Order: sequence, then structure tokens, then C-alpha cells
Amino acid sequence: DTAVSQTPKYLVTQMGNDKSIKCEQNLGHDTMYWYKQDSKKFLKIMFSYNNKELIINETVPNRFSPKSPDKAHLNLHINSLELGDSAVYFCASSQAATRTGELFFGEGSRLTVL
Amino acid sequence: SQKIEQNSEALNIQEGKTATLTCNYTNYSPAYLQWYRQDPGRGPVFLLLIRENEKEKRKERLKVTFDTTLKQSLFHITASQPADSATYLCALDFRTDDKIIFGKGTRLHILP
Repeated sequence: DTAVSQTPKYLVTQMGNDKSIKCEQNLGHDTMYWYKQDSKKFLKIMFSYNNKELIINETVPNRFSPKSPDKAHLNLHINSLELGDSAVYFCASSQAATRTGELFFGEGSRLTVL
Repeated sequence: SQKIEQNSEALNIQEGKTATLTCNYTNYSPAYLQWYRQDPGRGPVFLLLIRENEKEKRKERLKVTFDTTLKQSLFHITASQPADSATYLCALDFRTDDKIIFGKGTRLHILP
């Protein structure tokens, strides 16, 4: 039973298209994140939601819009895709209340923009 | 801005030896420092966490040290095995805004 699951695992699309990545966690955590890992393997935070409320937005272009319908889900919608958006996107969750900060990651969604 | 440096992009270690990975940071010391393992095509997996008031933490063959004066953490794998080959990521948690910042990682190869 996967703790943090993301779909799709692979996404190949043309420049200018709009795409979404979905994430669900069954750990009962209250905080969810989106991280981007580029070709140099640098893992950079994009967004963080706590109890459906946006708490971190790391100067990500407006084309990226996260949506959290409930505590267990955090989706990422990307408009007008650009070549530079090609990366692996990781969803993660943690339980802020315990204050240990351990992140649980999904397996990643590899986005390729042609 | 806060910077994290894992000073080896790749490290080759003979099986059975101790692998030591380094994580240095600038500016402020985090409340917690974490280490993760990432295998190719997979998400990072949490290994160990050490608090700013702790000097050392151990878990089986893993040992982490934290020196807030040097602004450095060392991650040791003793009796290394080929199965330990992976990328190891250091992460800083300042406990202020739920933001955990990652280093670029060190690719560790344990040679049989």
C-alpha cells in the first residue's frame, strides 16, 4: 500500500500544452509539498500546503498552480509548458504537528516537454 | 541566502570500508539536519535526523555527526556494501516555515 502516490509516472508533451500531476498520501499527514528535481539532480521546493492552505510558494512562475482539495491530496497544474519545465516532480508529505520534519516522497513524475 | 554544499559529486569506496560524506552549510544553523537516500528513478527516502543540540546519532551501520561551529555534518556508512550505492542527500530544516532545503547530493559507489 503506497504511502505517497503520484500519477502519472511519465509525461511527454509538446510546448504550450497544459498538464496536471496528481498526488495522494494515505499517511494522515497535514502537510504536503511539491519539489522539482532538474537534470543536475538538484531538489528544489516549489510549494507547501498545510491543511489545504498554501504556506510556501517559492517564486514559481504563475503557470504552476497547485490545488489541495483536501488534506490527503495535492495536485499540480502547469499551463503553457516550456522546455525548461522538463524535470522530475516529486510530491512529499510530513506531519508538522510531530515537528520531526521527516518527509515521505512519492516516486516522482518525469515530465518531458518537446 | 542559505547554501548547502555536499562537497563530493561522486565517491567511490571499496566494499567493507567506511564511506564518509560531507555536508556544509552557510549562514544559520538549522534546528534539524536530515539525511536521505535516493536510488535512480525513485523518490528520496529518509534515513536519519539530528538536532542542533546533538553531536552524533547512530542507526545500525549509519552514523551522523553535527558540528554547528564548523557548520558541517558528516554521514558515515561503516562496513559498506554494494547495496549502499545510491545518492545521499543532506537537508536542512529550520523549523520556521515548514521548508526543508536539500543539497545536491553525493553519488556513492561501493566497489565489490
